[in-house]
Amino acid sequence: NAGVTQTPKFQVLKTGQSMTLQCAQDMNHNSMYWYRQDPGMGLRLIYYSASEGTTDKGEVPNGYNVSRLNKREFSLRLESAAPSQTSVYFCAIKTGPNYGYTFGSGTRLTVV
Amino acid sequence: GENVEQHPSTLSVQEGDSAVIKCTYSDSASNYFPWYKQELGKGPQLIIDIRSNVGEKKDQRIAVTLNKTAKHFSLHITETQPEDSAVYFCAAMGAAGNKLTFGGGTRVLVKP
Repeated sequence: NAGVTQTPKFQVLKTGQSMTLQCAQDMNHNSMYWYRQDPGMGLRLIYYSASEGTTDKGEVPNGYNVSRLNKREFSLRLESAAPSQTSVYFCAIKTGPNYGYTFGSGTRLTVV
Repeated sequence: GENVEQHPSTLSVQEGDSAVIKCTYSDSASNYFPWYKQELGKGPQLIIDIRSNVGEKKDQRIAVTLNKTAKHFSLHITETQPEDSAVYFCAAMGAAGNKLTFGGGTRVLVKP
């Protein structure tokens, strides 16, 4: 998944703790996305950013905040983690006119 | 919003046989339909896509068909090999062209 870097790869949080998931691209594309993946639920969109400085809610935004401070980085923040946020989180970028997405390798988050 | 349903959720085939995965979508204005393959511990990777002005597309052993009238599209894998074992996701892009909605995924197991 060259071009999209996610950190960290794994994280365990206690209920109520906060953390920020980082995503960075080196492909100079405008649109970036955060998805969560749960067993049997496929990929569900949390937030997306069509360009630097803009963000929009997706299907499941509750409990999350995002920040797109520059074109390269799009971060996802959990202010007060809950067990229901245990999931695998993927960042993706839309690679231009062909609409294809390139995904990062994911962050596996466990909230206990 | 767009809703994408994918069937079956699991599929077991003998090596050399064909595998077919079907998806339906709800938004008649959707115009782009990609398929992703996800191997264990990795992010989804685009394997083939089709646009609404095309009925069929083929790339070596994989093909995708689209029926816009019925609002369904399918992935066909011929001469399956063990390395085809993975989770496959279909997706649909709405007319606004700003985000993909994914199906729930199909876990494919190719038995040697």
